[in-house]
Amino acid sequence: QKEVEQNSGPLSVPEGAIASLNCTYSDRVSQSFFWYRQYSGKSPELIMSIYSNGDKEDGRFTAQLNKASQYVSLLIRDSQPSDSATYLCAVMGGTSYGKLTFGQGTILTVHP
Amino acid sequence: NAGVTQTPKFRILKIGQSMTLQCTQDMNHNYMYWYRQDPGMGLKLIYYSVGAGITDKGEVPNGYNVSRSTTEDFPLRLELAAPSQTSVYFCASSPRRRGGGPDTQYFGPGTRLTVL
Repeated sequence: QKEVEQNSGPLSVPEGAIASLNCTYSDRVSQSFFWYRQYSGKSPELIMSIYSNGDKEDGRFTAQLNKASQYVSLLIRDSQPSDSATYLCAVMGGTSYGKLTFGQGTILTVHP
Repeated sequence: NAGVTQTPKFRILKIGQSMTLQCTQDMNHNYMYWYRQDPGMGLKLIYYSVGAGITDKGEVPNGYNVSRSTTEDFPLRLELAAPSQTSVYFCASSPRRRGGGPDTQYFGPGTRLTVL
């Protein structure tokens, strides 16, 4: 079983729709969870971080965390073509060294 | 602040050659990391450092070495380059959280390395 697994893509949604990206993780003591966006040929940039169960909203983005189910998701409302990118889920374990484990990424395409 | 900078942007090596990938951050972050990303894959941790003078192995350290003599710099050394080391290399840094431990990681622009 992969340590961090994302829903297989690519995911294609029409402009204005809600894009839903999912991620499961295997380490029960994980404490910090991140979503990064990566445009082709560029470095990952942080979109959201979430540390406790529930929802966290930032503009058009909502991260959801369920530690009991070991599940974290990212919703993108009113999707725009500029949201087309690879989205990486990253999980930080329960140590003080901050090692991030990344999922394989989900390619999102928003078509006009 | 320039953030995290990496040099070079691109490099082609021959099998058996060596090189150093440079990484510098000007945010006074304690934690620094080196990742590699193969095509269509997520990032895999090579080495990390929790402060000057302290480094440790990540998931895929074989064929690489690091040092951290200052807070700002975290160079990655490739000895005896092999085709399997063809990848994009990202350096990242993170500050310490108030309660201890690292916070969000910020990435440099990456170095695209090809070994022929």
